[in-house]
Amino acid sequence: GEEVAQTPKHLVRGEGQKAKLYCAPIKGHSYVFWYQQVLKNEFKFLISFQNENVFDETGMPKERFSAKCLPNSPCSLEIQATKLEDSAVYFCASSQSSGYGYTFGSGTRLTVV
Amino acid sequence: GESVGLHLPTLSVQEGDNSIINCAYSNSASDYFIWYKQESGKGPQFIIDIRSNMDKRQGQRVTVLLNKTVKHLSLQIAATQPGDSAVYFCAEIESNFGNEKLTFGTGTRLTIIP
Repeated sequence: GEEVAQTPKHLVRGEGQKAKLYCAPIKGHSYVFWYQQVLKNEFKFLISFQNENVFDETGMPKERFSAKCLPNSPCSLEIQATKLEDSAVYFCASSQSSGYGYTFGSGTRLTVV
Repeated sequence: GESVGLHLPTLSVQEGDNSIINCAYSNSASDYFIWYKQESGKGPQFIIDIRSNMDKRQGQRVTVLLNKTVKHLSLQIAATQPGDSAVYFCAEIESNFGNEKLTFGTGTRLTIIP
């Protein structure tokens, strides 16, 4: 399809629980990006993929965050042992060529209580 | 109406008037710039882009101006409509053969007054 599909739309987790978010990029797009938006304002880059390979992971808090993009499966972002500060909207974007023609999904709102 | 970027994150404009949203970017090596519109509960939506070899680009009711000397970007929206109410973000990219992530500005909330 011509949209980036993110599931679930909303996710509530108790502090310390695991959270897993999914992203189906647009068919034919080889680049996938994850961003975190806190307080409806600033976007923080987390990680990017070129097909199933990590392209840039400089934004990932690696001790608790992990991500994968496997063939024939939605990409995923997993947070182990969530903290209150992880509450945010997580956006996935895909593009045909790196950096250009980004299309964003509608996001997953994660609330950690 | 006109915003001054980071120091005035909200802008209210009368319907039908023109609006100007400003953005100061940080990386002098950035060579591609994009304006996004974000409505409540949605992801950023592409509005217009410009490469660093240009200083102006026009779309339908929107114009982007780039001043590389002072690292400043602006978005002009002509004849604003209620549907233009949203938060607007500028974003920059430095093409770097493997590091082409978007770096977003803080955002400006535009409210169109009917």
